[in-house]
Amino acid sequence: SQQGEEDPQALSIQEGENATMNCSYKTSINNLQWYRQNSGRGLVHLILIRSNEREKHSGRLRVTLDTSKKSSSLLITASRAADTASYFCATKTSYDKVIFGPGTSLSVIP
Amino acid sequence: DAGVTQSPTHLIKTRGQQVTLRCSPKSGHDTVSWYQQALGQGPQFIFQYYEEEERQRGNFPDRFSGHQFPNYSSELNVNALLLGDSALYLCASSIPRAGGETQYFGPGTRLLVL
Repeated sequence: SQQGEEDPQALSIQEGENATMNCSYKTSINNLQWYRQNSGRGLVHLILIRSNEREKHSGRLRVTLDTSKKSSSLLITASRAADTASYFCATKTSYDKVIFGPGTSLSVIP
Repeated sequence: DAGVTQSPTHLIKTRGQQVTLRCSPKSGHDTVSWYQQALGQGPQFIFQYYEEEERQRGNFPDRFSGHQFPNYSSELNVNALLLGDSALYLCASSIPRAGGETQYFGPGTRLLVL
């Protein structure tokens, strides 16, 4: 079974609004990463948060990690049409595998 | 600095055939991982190569095999193709370091099995 599960599966918002995606996982992790994928192309790494970190920022991105709840959230502020993509969380366990969730499809309407 | 490159970009095969996909990692990266992504799903980990050895393997049958060359490039081989092998195959390279590992992905090879 997959380690990570994103929620919601699909999200549609107006340009300028904030988008929040959540990720839940099942086992202990070393780190959690968020990736973006445009139209079935290669994945682009957005941000990595380690298991001993609680929050991280990168530009318009904010990621939180709650290891007690085994969950993470990705917030994209002031969304743009170019943010339209699929977003995946990926967890790395002590066994060095990186396991991806099924993803959230984000549509930003101009 | 070239990123991760994969070839070919698209491929059409028939059931029972064999296929080889190729990946060149980002400059300086010594670890290559392969993923299979079916339509509408997240990437599934196939295996990872480091120092020309398979280091980790996901839940894929032995029909999936790989190789890493001394220059760190890698191949993914799939034998006896099934219709269900149709997917986007992604290669990612990285430099493992303690506490984290950012992977850089190639554009993928889209395989269609008829």
